Amino acid sequence: KNEVEQSPQNLTAQEGEFITINCSYSVGISALHWLQQHPGGGIVSLFMLSSGKKKHGRLIATINIQEKHSSLHITASHPRDSAVYICAVMDSNYQLIWGAGTKLIIKP
Amino acid sequence: DVKVTQSSRYLVKRTGEKVFLECVQDMDHENMFWYRQDPGLGLRLIYFSYDVKMKEKGDIPEGYSVSREKKERFSLILESASTNQTSMYLCASSFWDRSYNEQFFGPGTRLTVL
Repeated sequence: KNEVEQSPQNLTAQEGEFITINCSYSVGISALHWLQQHPGGGIVSLFMLSSGKKKHGRLIATINIQEKHSSLHITASHPRDSAVYICAVMDSNYQLIWGAGTKLIIKP
Repeated sequence: DVKVTQSSRYLVKRTGEKVFLECVQDMDHENMFWYRQDPGLGLRLIYFSYDVKMKEKGDIPEGYSVSREKKERFSLILESASTNQTSMYLCASSFWDRSYNEQFFGPGTRLTVL
């Protein structure tokens, strides 16, 4: 069983919809990262969080440490949000453990 | 702007060839990483380096070696490429501060071994 599980694996939605991507983990962590990978390969960091909630523009990330669960939300989704979203957790040894990613397609 | 560059975006090699993938970062980062990314498996760490001439094995080092002669440059070497090494290879770098550990990624090299 993977230590970091993301759901769904694939998500297709219409422009404007509210998007939720989930990440569950089974190890003790010191932080959780959400990253975005556009077609072509480049990966950029969106958030790093260890508690509560962070917001940047239309993106919101939340984490529940007790439930070992994090969500990434996108409000008013747009085709340019189409990408793979990756969750990664930093374990107690400061090693990153990666989720397999969620492929999001937003249709106009 | 942090910049991590990789020597090639696309590479096609033959089985048995020696392959060099180069990564350069311009942010004076101590840590550098090589990952491979395969569908459904996410990123898997091959090797990382926390200082010049220092290297540590990641989760899947078999069939790979690395070289870090200068702080800004981290090379991944496939001594004898095999078809199961066809993959997307991503380089990343970060500062030494482990409690922060944001990694900055290069654009990736898509390697095909025929």
